[in-house]
Amino acid sequence: DGGITQSPKYLFRKEGQNVTLSCEQNLNHDAMYWYRQDPGQGLRLIYYSQIVNDFQKGDIAEGYSVSREKKESFPLTVTSAQKNPTAFYLCASSNRKLIGDWSNQPQHFGDGTRLSIL
Amino acid sequence: GENVEQHPSTLSVQEGDSAVIKCTYSDSASNYFPWYKQELGKRPQLIIDIRSNVGEKKDQRIAVTLNKTAKHFSLHITETQPEDSAVYFCAASKGTGANNLFFGTGTRLTVIP
Repeated sequence: DGGITQSPKYLFRKEGQNVTLSCEQNLNHDAMYWYRQDPGQGLRLIYYSQIVNDFQKGDIAEGYSVSREKKESFPLTVTSAQKNPTAFYLCASSNRKLIGDWSNQPQHFGDGTRLSIL
Repeated sequence: GENVEQHPSTLSVQEGDSAVIKCTYSDSASNYFPWYKQELGKRPQLIIDIRSNVGEKKDQRIAVTLNKTAKHFSLHITETQPEDSAVYFCAASKGTGANNLFFGTGTRLTVIP
């Protein structure tokens, strides 16, 4: 979906270094998500945010941090505490508006950032 | 939390044949079930989704069925084509809260010309 932009496409991290992955969306979506994808595994949720200035830990938040200062932006920092950061990182966004009884709206993904260790 | 299991992990079919991928979920409160297609090195793309108030949904060659009692749902692709080759992921989500998706581990579908 052209409305979600992740950068950079490839990123290399040195030992002890923090790196930040960018995610921007122009879809006016309230909710944003970060997933990690490893070979042979499904997507695992790192952090999510339903509104500006609020975010929650997902299943594998250790070693990661996020911020949500603007509706359009949800950057992810991979800290030096994350000992196995090599993976494909995907950002997603979705609406939270109610349609009838349903609050779940489809999540749309960016193109991903592939992070490797130097 | 929710646990989604997906089978098979790999599937090869001849072009023109049908492909079926099955998923089970553990949380009876889940009520939204999307399917994503991911080509190598690209983003997952939503191909179809179903909500728990219906048992089946169809979109051209793709259909999804849902059995709430048994807590399983399946993706059916008919008349497969080589461009259907990709990894397919199922997911489950509840109707309240953060809309968090719990994903299966994926099925690599290969359509042999």
